[in-house]
Amino acid sequence: GDSVTQMEGPVTLSEEAFLTINCTYTATGYPSLFWYVQYPGEGLQLLLKATKADDKGSNKGFEATYRKETTSFHLEKGSVQVSDSAVYFCALSKDDKIIFGKGTRLHILP
Amino acid sequence: DTAVSQTPKYLVTQMGNDKSIKCEQNLGHDTMYWYKQDSKKFLKIMFSYNNKELIINETVPNRFSPKSPDKAHLNLHINSLELGDSAVYFCASSQSRGSSGNTIYFGEGSWLTVV
Repeated sequence: GDSVTQMEGPVTLSEEAFLTINCTYTATGYPSLFWYVQYPGEGLQLLLKATKADDKGSNKGFEATYRKETTSFHLEKGSVQVSDSAVYFCALSKDDKIIFGKGTRLHILP
Repeated sequence: DTAVSQTPKYLVTQMGNDKSIKCEQNLGHDTMYWYKQDSKKFLKIMFSYNNKELIINETVPNRFSPKSPDKAHLNLHINSLELGDSAVYFCASSQSRGSSGNTIYFGEGSWLTVV
């Protein structure tokens, strides 16, 4: 069945470091891909999305490119801030379902 | 205005009790969901409704019963609560079913603790 695999955390970085959180998916057809972010004590918020191959989603300095050939949607940011500390979820949607990865907790140290 | 609102935010209750969590969305969306998030942050879909019709019903104990009086509301009723039901429950909504680019909008969660 369809699934999403993302790197296990926690990921701990210093402020201004480069961030990559890996995400790969398994799906038939052409899913849409998403990154959601969950700040402490809050619900999930959409961070960015891409609906077809080679699309790049971007928001708040974060980027991810839909790579069909490698079935990946890795999240990147060039310079992280303490305020980026959160749990990040990769997800795919197809038909009636959205499937989430297990989440990656990110800690940014000042 | 909160787009997806759920109440209560915190709920502590004893085993064996029956409780409900209410959810309302003011986005005009057709589809609503309930997700359960465990202590490891793993997010699992429980139910999905489209225009008051149940379209996704994952393997969830039948102690959990969703009710959708109209397309803007999806409530979750839980009978005979067990310790393992302790989790954060998220309500969510999206524009329509079957359109895979839709963004899901989440409520802020209801923290349920069963003691």
